[in-house]
Amino acid sequence: QKEVEQNSGPLSVPEGAIASLNCTYSDRGSQSFFWYRQYSGKSPELIMFIYSNGDKEDGRFTAQLNKASQYVSLLIRDSQPSDSATYLCAVKTNAGKSTFGDGTTLTVKP
Amino acid sequence: DTGVSQDPRHKITKRGQNVTFRCDPISEHNRLYWYRQTLGQGPEFLTYFQNEAQLEKSRLLSDRFSAERPKGSFSTLEIQRTEQGDSAMYLCASSWTSGASPYEQYFGPGTRLTVT
Repeated sequence: QKEVEQNSGPLSVPEGAIASLNCTYSDRGSQSFFWYRQYSGKSPELIMFIYSNGDKEDGRFTAQLNKASQYVSLLIRDSQPSDSATYLCAVKTNAGKSTFGDGTTLTVKP
Repeated sequence: DTGVSQDPRHKITKRGQNVTFRCDPISEHNRLYWYRQTLGQGPEFLTYFQNEAQLEKSRLLSDRFSAERPKGSFSTLEIQRTEQGDSAMYLCASSWTSGASPYEQYFGPGTRLTVT
């Protein structure tokens, strides 16, 4: 079992819809959770981070964390074609390294 | 601040040659990380530094890989006797360990290595 699991996709949604991306992790000691967006051929770009249970909103993005279920998600409202990318979930158990999932590819169709 | 920079952006080398990559972190960041990423996979942790101290190195990393951060600023990653399996994107990231939102890592553009 991988430490951080994501559905590889591809996930396809129509423009204007809500895209829901999910991530589960195995280490209950995990404390910090991050979502990165990665366009093809580019490096990851941090879009959200969350440390506490519950929801955190930033513009069209909402991160949700449930430590009891070891589950973190990212919702993208009013999806745009420019949101088409691979979304990486990263989990940090201590102050050191982050462990990444393999990403979910999102396609937003006009 | 111009963000994390990496040099070179692309490197093609023959099997058996040594290569060295450089990373310049965001200036106020005290932590620097190296990752490797292959197609369809997420970034794989290699090593990280806090200031000039190397605090953790992946057990998956062979002895052919070495990294330094001599003055706590830029870092170099060297791969000796390259193999075709070393072909990947090598990513550098940096972070700060204090402040309102610590530990978020910001990535550089990466160095794409091709071993022929």
